[in-house]
Amino acid sequence: KAGVTQTPRYLIKTRGQQVTLSCSPISGHRSVSWYQQTPGQGLQFLFEYFSETQRNKGNFPGRFSGRQFSNSRSEMNVSTLELGDSALYLCASSLVYRGQNTEAFFGQGTRLTVV
Amino acid sequence: GNSVTQMEGPVTLSEEAFLTINCTYTATGYPSLFWYVQYPGEGLQLLLKATKADDKGSNKGFEATYRKETTSFHLEKGSVQVSDSAVYFCALSAPGYGGATNKLIFGTGTLLAVQP
Repeated sequence: KAGVTQTPRYLIKTRGQQVTLSCSPISGHRSVSWYQQTPGQGLQFLFEYFSETQRNKGNFPGRFSGRQFSNSRSEMNVSTLELGDSALYLCASSLVYRGQNTEAFFGQGTRLTVV
Repeated sequence: GNSVTQMEGPVTLSEEAFLTINCTYTATGYPSLFWYVQYPGEGLQLLLKATKADDKGSNKGFEATYRKETTSFHLEKGSVQVSDSAVYFCALSAPGYGGATNKLIFGTGTLLAVQP
């Protein structure tokens, strides 16, 4: 069974640009969450999607947005990039069983560098 | 709000030594608790979990018991190997006002270095 797939693995962008990251969850998983990992702030929750609806949102500015498609694949977008957006962005998928989430499975992440 | 506190690293041990990484939490309601491991250049892998008080999660020789009275979920292993060298994260997931959520709240991570 294929794991969570994130593309691309590495990205270099310039300040002010925008970027779109992609996540394909494990087959059958309808919940997708995104996290930002930095040395200074650690792992921080960005948002969670379930059945194409944002179910939860972390404390990030509106430049960070996401969406989920009918096949459960998800994208996140960061507009007007800042140097501080440089981070490892992790996607996690989860099976929803009887209305409850099971454990989250993570992808390998996308390493974004803003220069 | 909900939070996780875990011991600062790095933790440096010799092979076959006993490992303990402390983790305590603050949460409303009844959270699920997790330990994740991250190897260099990789994403997070679930190591073990516990969903209710007194549950013991175990995997690959690692164990952790959900202690509600002390709000703790300490990670232990009786004999570490060089291959266990990684960063370990304690995390919790607590139901939100809207019901089930997959939002994980992580501790800061503890780097474990095992020397031969």
